[in-house]
Amino acid sequence: SQQGEEDPQALSIQEGENATMNCSYKTSINNLQWYRQNSGRGLVHLILIRSNEREKHSGRLRVTLDTSKKSSSLLITASRAADTASYFCATDAEAGGTSYGKLTFGQGTILTVHP
Amino acid sequence: KAGVTQTPRYLIKTRGQQVTLSCSPISGHRSVSWYQQTPGQGLQFLFEYFSETQRNKGNFPGRFSGRQFSNSRSEMNVSTLELGDSALYLCASSPGGTMGNQPQHFGDGTRLSIL
Repeated sequence: SQQGEEDPQALSIQEGENATMNCSYKTSINNLQWYRQNSGRGLVHLILIRSNEREKHSGRLRVTLDTSKKSSSLLITASRAADTASYFCATDAEAGGTSYGKLTFGQGTILTVHP
Repeated sequence: KAGVTQTPRYLIKTRGQQVTLSCSPISGHRSVSWYQQTPGQGLQFLFEYFSETQRNKGNFPGRFSGRQFSNSRSEMNVSTLELGDSALYLCASSPGGTMGNQPQHFGDGTRLSIL
């Protein structure tokens, strides 16, 4: 079963615009991660935010986490055609303990950036 | 450092056969996790190995098994293949240890098709 629900399922924007993707999850977590997947390839880790953090930045990426609402958002600023990919949030579903290598993924958002 | 390597990249099998997939983690990484990705179910956790021991297991039937060798390389085996086993199988490595979830580094996967 999927821990996270992502919204929107698909997003189409022009180069230079910002893209915002949202993720909701069901159980308490230790941390939440965002990954990118290009078509036919493996996942690439983008950013990890811990449950005691509210916001984190990495280059053009900004992630927020609201544990009270069990939700997170990923903002990509000044998007490029190369950002076209699927984006997934992933959680370690067992708070307070180690879940040993298990990530629970959302269904993902397909982002298309038009040149 | 070389990334995570999965072999083969593509595989075609028929129902009832068995298959073995291989994963070589990043040098120094001791944790290897396996995931199944399908359009319908998304990314599902199969199992995780650390120091040749299975530490975590997802909700898959016993036909799915794995192992890890002393050099941290891992294999997964699926016996009595069914049509529904057609999927992209992804392997991910991380340093492991007693920490909670860490960023995982994914290979490009093995695309398994069952005829």
